[in-house]
Amino acid sequence: AQKVTQAQTEISVVEKEDVTLDCVYETRDTTYYLFWYKQPPSGELVFLIRRNSFDEQNEISGRYSWNFQKSTSSFNFTITASQVVDSAVYFCALSEANFGNEKLTFGTGTRLTIIP
Amino acid sequence: AAGVIQSPRHLIKEKRETATLKCYPIPRHDTVYWYQQGPGQDPQFLISFYEKMQSDKGSIPDRFSAQQFSDYHSELNMSSLELGDSALYFCASSAAPPMNTEAFFGQGTRLTVV
Repeated sequence: AQKVTQAQTEISVVEKEDVTLDCVYETRDTTYYLFWYKQPPSGELVFLIRRNSFDEQNEISGRYSWNFQKSTSSFNFTITASQVVDSAVYFCALSEANFGNEKLTFGTGTRLTIIP
Repeated sequence: AAGVIQSPRHLIKEKRETATLKCYPIPRHDTVYWYQQGPGQDPQFLISFYEKMQSDKGSIPDRFSAQQFSDYHSELNMSSLELGDSALYFCASSAAPPMNTEAFFGQGTRLTVV
């Protein structure tokens, strides 16, 4: 069975601070995908990143960066120089790499509040 | 670019009524997923279809059924609605290899059962 743990339920930081959201996962699959989604107050799920289990390279996209460590089963997400628009619930998720059936198992989410 | 279209966006039903939610995937996507997100919860997988055949089933109540049609759109039918069915229902679509895309989510249907 797959499991995703986001131990941080809520985080508040002052604007322009850096913040890291933690994600730890469990799976017996050797090939899988890891994801981060953002859910703003409007409710839609915004895709941020998908990472293949064979690709442990860290990734940076603007103010966002992701640290994938297979040895610790973690896929952490850092926002640099946070902005008020970053306020949202962030979900980490996991799926098997099984075409036609890549259902997502989500973590419980981290509510991030950026204080102006 | 075309996105996943869900209709309706909002729906209010009374207990014991039925509801039908529709999902139109991105063109050329062959897989559709349905998720239910209760208030303050994470999305939970309900059911998926690949090439119009059910590919997996999650915690979907027997009162719910779904199918994917020949044009790849999907419908989630919910009967004997209960107060606890009030939630945000997401549809997502993806393309299997060789395109191998991630799942793209629709904006969701907010169902309120009163």
